[in-house]
Amino acid sequence: KNEVEQSPQNLTAQEGEFITINCSYSVGISALHWLQQHPGGGIVSLFMLSSGKKKHGRLIATINIQEKHSSLHITASHPRDSAVYICAAGGGGNQFYFGTGTSLTVIP
Amino acid sequence: NAGVTQTPKFQVLKTGQSMTLQCAQDMNHNSMYWYRQDPGMGLRLIYYSASEGTTDKGEVPNGYNVSRLNKREFSLRLESAAPSQTSVYFCASSVQGGASTEAFFGQGTRLTVV
Repeated sequence: KNEVEQSPQNLTAQEGEFITINCSYSVGISALHWLQQHPGGGIVSLFMLSSGKKKHGRLIATINIQEKHSSLHITASHPRDSAVYICAAGGGGNQFYFGTGTSLTVIP
Repeated sequence: NAGVTQTPKFQVLKTGQSMTLQCAQDMNHNSMYWYRQDPGMGLRLIYYSASEGTTDKGEVPNGYNVSRLNKREFSLRLESAAPSQTSVYFCASSVQGGASTEAFFGQGTRLTVV
């Protein structure tokens, strides 16, 4: 049983396309995190949100608490956006529930 | 801006060998974590330390030990490595414990046990 489900698992897009990655979770959360992992590299926190929407540059994260669903949008995608995007639901205490990630490839 | 630094980046061990993965953060964070990442699975918590001098087991602690040497450093030790411990290991830290605080991750250690 996975507490956090992401879709799609893999995504290929043309440069400039609008991209959406979805995350559904089944646990009660204190916050929802979006992380980015580049090939061979570390993991970087993109967003932490508990309600509404956050925007940083071309990235937008939204969350619907009632539906237990979050989305990560990338506008005007670029090859440098190619990475694995990980959704993590922050439960009680120190408990994080991680999704398995969405592998994004943006083709020039 | 060092953030979270892990060493080594790569390591190959023979079954039964021991090793220690080092992690240090320079952000004055209280909480530190060790995760492993395996193909097709999300990150899984091995151990965490809510503050200097305290450590707690996570989801997959068997075969590992940890030491919170001081506020900056949190090491992970494999006493007798097994092929099942082949994985990518990530250290992370946050200002305080709790999943509603932002976590900062290291670059990862790719460990292969043969």
